[in-house]
Amino acid sequence: DVKVTQSSRYLVKRTGEKVFLECVQDMDHENMFWYRQDPGLGLRLIYFSYDVKMKEKGDIPEGYSVSREKKERFSLILESASTNQTSMYLCASSFAGQGREKLFFGSGTQLSVL
Amino acid sequence: DQQVKQNSPSLSVQEGRISILNCDYTNSMFDYFLWYKKYPAEGPTFLISISSIKDKNEDGRFTVFLNKSAKHLSLHIVPSQPGDSAVYFCAASARDSNYQLIWGAGTKLIIKP
Repeated sequence: DVKVTQSSRYLVKRTGEKVFLECVQDMDHENMFWYRQDPGLGLRLIYFSYDVKMKEKGDIPEGYSVSREKKERFSLILESASTNQTSMYLCASSFAGQGREKLFFGSGTQLSVL
Repeated sequence: DQQVKQNSPSLSVQEGRISILNCDYTNSMFDYFLWYKKYPAEGPTFLISISSIKDKNEDGRFTVFLNKSAKHLSLHIVPSQPGDSAVYFCAASARDSNYQLIWGAGTKLIIKP
């Protein structure tokens, strides 16, 4: 079975803290994605990556950065957390050329910024 | 402005009956549509998809219908089972969008015994 693992299920951070969300996939997928899910808004793409050390901005990249040093790992970084970044964060991966066909998601990280 | 809309936040259906979940879109460049299912405390999982060259795709109890002129798609589940209780997301993409998916807000389906 494909497995996408997110390091934390729940996180509570303070405003201004630097936050790292980690995601690891074990299926040798080329593509990796970070989404946030908010009630009434569905999933919104923050950043994605098609290859190691490669990154592309999604629809809402402001306030976030990413790192992909290894193929299996994609990290989302909140440089200075703010309360409006309280959300459910979902990591996903897929094979090259299948980015829009079949994403495999992790279980999500519920981040609360106080 | 949301390009993919699921206007029903929730839907309650009797076990054994048909569940119909609806999705509307505004971007005529969308050419691929997907449905994902999400249980609490889990990530979404792919359910079924349809290309714009088709108007119907079927997989077991799940059928997706696409009406391009109305910019509308629907997911039919027949017969509905208790395990179908979940949030269902509609998503769409355009060939020139670098494979980015645009997601609806989701519909929570509740199957009553």
